[in-house]
Amino acid sequence: DVKVTQSSRYLVKRTGEKVFLECVQDMDHENMFWYRQDPGLGLRLIYFSYDVKMKEKGDIPEGYSVSREKKERFSLILESASTNQTSMYLCASSWRIKRRGEQYFGPGTRLTVT
Amino acid sequence: GQQLNQSPQSMFIQEGEDVSMNCTSSSIFNTWLWYKQDPGEGPVLLIALYKAGELTSNGRLTAQFGITRKDSFLNISASIPSDVGIYFCAGQTGGYQKVTFGTGTKLQVIP
Repeated sequence: DVKVTQSSRYLVKRTGEKVFLECVQDMDHENMFWYRQDPGLGLRLIYFSYDVKMKEKGDIPEGYSVSREKKERFSLILESASTNQTSMYLCASSWRIKRRGEQYFGPGTRLTVT
Repeated sequence: GQQLNQSPQSMFIQEGEDVSMNCTSSSIFNTWLWYKQDPGEGPVLLIALYKAGELTSNGRLTAQFGITRKDSFLNISASIPSDVGIYFCAGQTGGYQKVTFGTGTKLQVIP
């Protein structure tokens, strides 16, 4: 079974803090993704990575950065957390070619910024 | 980014009833996917479809890839209380395996 794990299920941070969200997958997937999910707005892609050290902006990259130093690990960084970044953050991974499009999600991190 | 239109947005059904939901797009997709999300959890992949016209089952769930490649349908037969959750469709096309997600159908089952 594919396993995607996220470092925290719940996180509370203060405005202005630097926040790290970590994601690890064990299926040797080439692609990894970070989404945020908000009521009424659905799943929105923040960043994705198709290889180690490679990254591409998604639909809402402002205020975020990412790091992929190892194939299995993809980190999302909030440089200076703001209250409008309070959300559910979901990490996903997929193969580059086989089983086209199938993304496997982690359990999510519910981040609250106060 | 683009989103897919799912309908209905929400539905209440009696336990034992069959359920149908669909997803439409103005764009063509190469793959259609259906996910289920329980409250406070990440989405779980239910069914993946790769060819226009394809019909695939997973237990009580059946999904179809529309002939026009612009829509997909999910049916759940004989619903049970644990079917409660939000069902998302997703479509994939182009490179890097990016997918576009639907707006979700919230299903509630009355025992």
